[in-house]
Amino acid sequence: AQTVTQSQPEMSVQEAETVTLSCTYDTSESDYYLFWYKQPPSRQMILVIRQEAYKQQNATENRFSVNFQKAAKSFSLKISDSQLGDAAMYFCAYRGAAGNKLTFGGGTRVLVKP
Amino acid sequence: GAGVSQSPSNKVTEKGKDVELRCDPISGHTALYWYRQSLGQGLEFLIYFQGNSAPDKSGLPSDRFSAERTGGSVSTLTIQRTQQEDSAVYLCASSPQAGGFTDTQYFGPGTRLTVL
Repeated sequence: AQTVTQSQPEMSVQEAETVTLSCTYDTSESDYYLFWYKQPPSRQMILVIRQEAYKQQNATENRFSVNFQKAAKSFSLKISDSQLGDAAMYFCAYRGAAGNKLTFGGGTRVLVKP
Repeated sequence: GAGVSQSPSNKVTEKGKDVELRCDPISGHTALYWYRQSLGQGLEFLIYFQGNSAPDKSGLPSDRFSAERTGGSVSTLTIQRTQQEDSAVYLCASSPQAGGFTDTQYFGPGTRLTVL
C-alpha cells in the first residue's frame, strides 16, 4: 500500500518570505500523480498544484512550486512571497495512475506572521 | 460554475441514531468520492463511484456505513447506529472522469458530524 509522510506538523513563515514543506511517499508503482491541497479554516480542500510522475519538469503555479525527486520519492512544496492568506493546513496526496482514491499525508499547518 | 456542495454543514446526533449526509458534485463530473477526516486517523478514503460501475467500497470502515449515488449525480452517505468514533468531517469530491491526469478531485466544504 502507498503511504505519504509529511514530517513537519507546523511551519511558521514571515510574510513575504519563502517556506518549503516536505513530503515523502512510498510506492512500487512507476506511474502516478502527486498533489498539494490547501485546507483553510473553512474546511474546503483547494488544489494548489499537481505533478505527473513521468514529467521531470517541476510544476509551478504562480507563487507555488514543487521540487519533485522521483528517485528519492520526495515532493516538496515551496511557497514564495508568503501572504497572510496562505495560512492553512497543507496536505500532500498521492494517486496511482490506474487508481482512483487519494492517499493523504498527515498535513502541515502553515502560520504566516505579519 | 458551481462547485461541490454538501449538506448539512454541521450535524449533531446522539449515539445510536442514523444520519444521512448529502453531496452534490460538479455538473458533468462522472466520478464521486467520499473521504473522512478525523483527528486520530487523518484523511481516509471511504468510497468511490464512477458512472454506472459498481462502487469501490474498500474504504468503508464497517457495515454501518453505506452510500448510494442516484442518477449518476447526487450521493448520500448513510451511517447507521452512529458511534462516538464516527465523529469527523466527511468530505465529498468529484472529478471529470476516473483515471488520467485530468482526474483532479475537487472537494466540497464537508459535513462536520458530532456524535454525542
